[in-house]
Amino acid sequence: NAGVTQTPKFQVLKTGQSMTLQCAQDMNHEYMSWYRQDPGMGLRLIHYSVGAGITDQGEVPNGYNVSRSTTEDFPLRLLSAAPSQTSVYFCASSYSSGRTEIEKLFFGSGTQLSVL
Amino acid sequence: DAKTTQPPSMDCAEGRAANLPCNHSTISGNEYVYWYRQIHSQGPQYIIHGLKNNETNEMASLIITEDRKSSTLILPHATLRDTAVYYCIVRDSGGYQLTFGKGTKLSVIP
Repeated sequence: NAGVTQTPKFQVLKTGQSMTLQCAQDMNHEYMSWYRQDPGMGLRLIHYSVGAGITDQGEVPNGYNVSRSTTEDFPLRLLSAAPSQTSVYFCASSYSSGRTEIEKLFFGSGTQLSVL
Repeated sequence: DAKTTQPPSMDCAEGRAANLPCNHSTISGNEYVYWYRQIHSQGPQYIIHGLKNNETNEMASLIITEDRKSSTLILPHATLRDTAVYYCIVRDSGGYQLTFGKGTKLSVIP
């Protein structure tokens, strides 16, 4: 198993550009989520999904869109990048029993995004 | 979700036990205590979690006080590879949001 795979590892954008951060997992996990981590800060939840076709907002959802068309993939879209979105982005997945619990989270290795 | 309080940093001698405290005085009866760690800039790694009873696995032990207002993560024999930021998190049963604070930066010293 590859676990949670994030691409790209590094990305530089100009203000106003759009892009999609990719996240895929091969563990058949129902729960997937996106976090961002700014220097010296903990992780903040952006969006999460408890299964295909179901998404919800986390703590800092503004400026980001998500969709979940398959169990394996959970892409994060930046429609118009802003310097405030410069951060390290982590995708995480977890087994979810009956969509009422999440067990331990498995994290990807992160995407370092810079918006100029 | 209940908030947690952790010391910003701690040192531990290599080979000694590392005891990382966490206060969660507003925890409610159905909230679990989770511990994760983040080594350098890698993605966080799950360590252990518990509700009421003490828990132990191959990585660590989790001691939760009887009133559940605090807990301690114990790394029995710390190595240099245990140098990381350790996050204590409480989560409501059935909740989907894990809130990571700033954690405790543990430095294991040779």
